[in-house]
Parts: sequence; C-alpha cells; structure tokens
Amino acid sequence: AQSVAQPEDQVNVAEGNPLTVKCTYSVSGNPYLFWYVQYPNRGLQFLLKYITGDNLVKGSYGFEAEFNKSQTSFHLKKPSALVSDSALYFCAVREDTGGFKTIFGAGTRLFVKA
Amino acid sequence: SAVISQKPSRDICQRGTSLTIQCQVDSQVTMMFWYRQQPGQSLTLIATANQGSEATYESGFVIDKFPISRPNLTFSTLTVSNMSPEDSSIYLCSGRDRGETEAFFGQGTRLTVV
Repeated sequence: AQSVAQPEDQVNVAEGNPLTVKCTYSVSGNPYLFWYVQYPNRGLQFLLKYITGDNLVKGSYGFEAEFNKSQTSFHLKKPSALVSDSALYFCAVREDTGGFKTIFGAGTRLFVKA
Repeated sequence: SAVISQKPSRDICQRGTSLTIQCQVDSQVTMMFWYRQQPGQSLTLIATANQGSEATYESGFVIDKFPISRPNLTFSTLTVSNMSPEDSSIYLCSGRDRGETEAFFGQGTRLTVV
C-alpha cells in the first residue's frame, strides 16, 4: 500500500531564508509525487510534480523539490521564503502502475516570519 | 488545468439533516473524487465518483451515509446524510483527466453540524 509521511507538523523560517518541507513516501511501483498548498478557507492548489526524469523539479511561486529514490524522499524547497508563503503544504503520492488514488500526507504548516 | 466550482462554500446544519454538495467542472474529466478534511488533519479519500455507475467507496465510508452521483463527465454531487457533529469537516471535490498526472481541486465546502 502506498503511504506518505511528513515528519514535521510545523516549520518556522524567517523571511529571506531558505525553507525545506520534508516528505518521504512508500509505494510498490514507481511513484508520481506531488506538492500542494492550501491557504486558509481555500482548496488545494497544485505546486509541482515529479513523474520521471530530472530529480530536481521546479514549480509555481519559486518552489522546487528534489526526488531522491534511494531515500524515498521528495522534499519541498525554496531559496528565499516570503511571508506570503505561510500556508499548509501537502505532499502526495500515486503509483504509476495504473493506480488512480492519490494519497496525501498529514500536512506541514509553514510559518514565515517577517 | 480545468476549474472546479464547488457549492456551497460553507454551511451550518442541524444534526439529523442532510446536505448535498455540488461539484461542476468546466471541462470533461475522466475521474472525479471526493475527499474529507477533518479539522487540522489531512485529506482522506471518501470515494471515486464513477460516471453512470455506483461510486467506489474507501474503507470506512458507505453509500448510505455518503451517496454520490455523477450523471456526466462534468458534474458530481456528494450528500452527507443524517449528519452528526462528527461530520463537521471540509469536503473537497477533485478531478483528474486520464491523460493528466496531477489532480485539481475545488475550493471546498466547510460543513459545521450543530
């Protein structure tokens, strides 16, 4: 069965500093990996995905994520955090073997302090 | 990606009553899903809405409690039946076309049962 772990409930960073939000996954086959962001009273917005190819993927709003197969990780990163990045971030996984269900991690709340 | 309109955006309901949530996509999509997000928690898949046939429910969710309709490739409804305060959650509609890898979401329905 597929699963996703986000080990940190909350991440605090100062504006202008780099940020990392951690994610590890478990699947039987090859993973499709995703990051979504949720702002208060809003639905989920897609940020980026890894399907195949380059391990470093770039997404919306300056975010990027690095796929590491040996560590089964897909950490979200941004070189310089903004206060407006403060939100709830979800990592998600889906198997590539015809699986259609996307499984979400518990979420990590990011606070960026001015 | 397609845009999902979900309504109502929020509601406060009396226990024992039912609420139907509507999800309209601005283009045809192969797959539609319903998720529940309980306060402070991650997304849990309720069911996959199948066009023209009965929905496929995840463990712990049953049709009598969460009847789902999907009459065509752009529309689905989720009913929360015989509500109790434990049903207070955000309910999210999601869609994904077969050729796409990532899913997209409606803005959610915040349900409070009193």
